[in-house]
Amino acid sequence: DIQMTQSPSSLSASVGDRVTITCRASQGISNYLAWYQQKPGKVPELLIYAAYTLQSGVPSRFSGSGSGTDFTLTINSLQPEDVATYYCQRYNSAPQTFGQGTKVEVK
Amino acid sequence: EVQLLESGGGLVQPGGSLRLSCAASGFSFNSYAMSWVRQVPGRGLEWVSGISDSGGRAFYADSVKGRFTISRDNSKNTLYLQMNSLRAEDTAVYYCAKDRRAYSSSSDYWGQGTLVTVSS
Repeated sequence: DIQMTQSPSSLSASVGDRVTITCRASQGISNYLAWYQQKPGKVPELLIYAAYTLQSGVPSRFSGSGSGTDFTLTINSLQPEDVATYYCQRYNSAPQTFGQGTKVEVK
Repeated sequence: EVQLLESGGGLVQPGGSLRLSCAASGFSFNSYAMSWVRQVPGRGLEWVSGISDSGGRAFYADSVKGRFTISRDNSKNTLYLQMNSLRAEDTAVYYCAKDRRAYSSSSDYWGQGTLVTVSS
């Protein structure tokens, strides 16, 4: 199965900082990559699909890029409400797999 | 408004069985694939199983293949997960999720989850 490796596993940044999270697939997955946000005690929410398409209602400070094996989630100007764990997910074929998650904290 | 309501979780002994249900509303249920995703409290997300819009194609994680069966009743707008031969490592919150397309894709709506505990 294709594995997804996220980095870093956690990070701490200041309000207003630009934050970057990476996700690497063990094989090429074209652009079949989604990003989810899970706030503490809440259900996961879809942020981005098809590597860079913003889900409706998601703030424009979130963006995604990449194709093939290397992908990036960027949060421009980190906000206090962005404290959460972020997961990538590949869905090019079954079984789908998630990355291990990146916990984002605000300093 | 899309709503997904899981039920059927609880405490079960190792080797036992449980059937989860997910009642869907607010969208054309028979037009979208559906998925089950689980999460051990405090841990990451694990995709468990997915099913196409018609129910004609089903997919499983290696960890549950041969023990779990996903199905759907489009006349009742309900998704199911039959879990047999349960193990301690199946203990998790199980989420029902609506996929964005008729066939395997990312999930744009999630239920609140139902807790399954496998313990003697």
